[in-house]
Amino acid sequence: DQQVKQNSPSLSVQEGRISILNCDYTNSMFDYFLWYKKYPAEGPTFLISISSIKDKNEDGRFTVFLNKSAKHLSLHIVPSQPGDSAVYFCAASAQNSGGSNYKLTFGKGTLLTVNP
Amino acid sequence: DAGVIQSPRHEVTEMGQEVTLRCKPISGHNSLFWYRQTMMRGLELLIYFNNNVPIDDSGMPEDRFSAKMPNASFSTLKIQPSEPRDSAVYFCASTPDRAKNIQYFGAGTRLSVL
Repeated sequence: DQQVKQNSPSLSVQEGRISILNCDYTNSMFDYFLWYKKYPAEGPTFLISISSIKDKNEDGRFTVFLNKSAKHLSLHIVPSQPGDSAVYFCAASAQNSGGSNYKLTFGKGTLLTVNP
Repeated sequence: DAGVIQSPRHEVTEMGQEVTLRCKPISGHNSLFWYRQTMMRGLELLIYFNNNVPIDDSGMPEDRFSAKMPNASFSTLKIQPSEPRDSAVYFCASTPDRAKNIQYFGAGTRLSVL
């Protein structure tokens, strides 16, 4: 049973347009969410995060939106650039769950391709 | 800062052989994580340590897998005996207590068991 789901394995957008990557979760104990970016032959790198007390967090071209009632979050990249082409992972943690609050549960990732 | 360092980057071995993967976390980070990435299951947490003590090993697939952290700057993940289904990319990550949700990953070890 996947607790964090990224239902789109891939997404292709044109340079300059908006990229929207989606993520759904099932565990209502999750209260902190992160997006990681991964290039081939490298490890995932942290991109942006959001706490469940917020519904939006912005960092430059990247914005994460959280809809707690729908258990859904999304990552918006605008404008998209060819260098953004990578696999994007959604991850979640339950900060207040006691001993396991260090654990991150990852989705399977979405491959974003930004075409010049 | 050199980041999380994993070795080897690639490992090819034959079924039944022992495999040892190594990880050096970022200096000052208190927690260390081992993950396995496969096409079918994505990124799975195998085990994590806090202050060199194993906290949660519920993700370790079976007794063939073991992990140690003898000191704050070194950890190993051992598979003995290895099987073809263990072929995957294994990542190590570390995090400081002050920002425990943000994990910093190494480049991974690609393991192929023939």
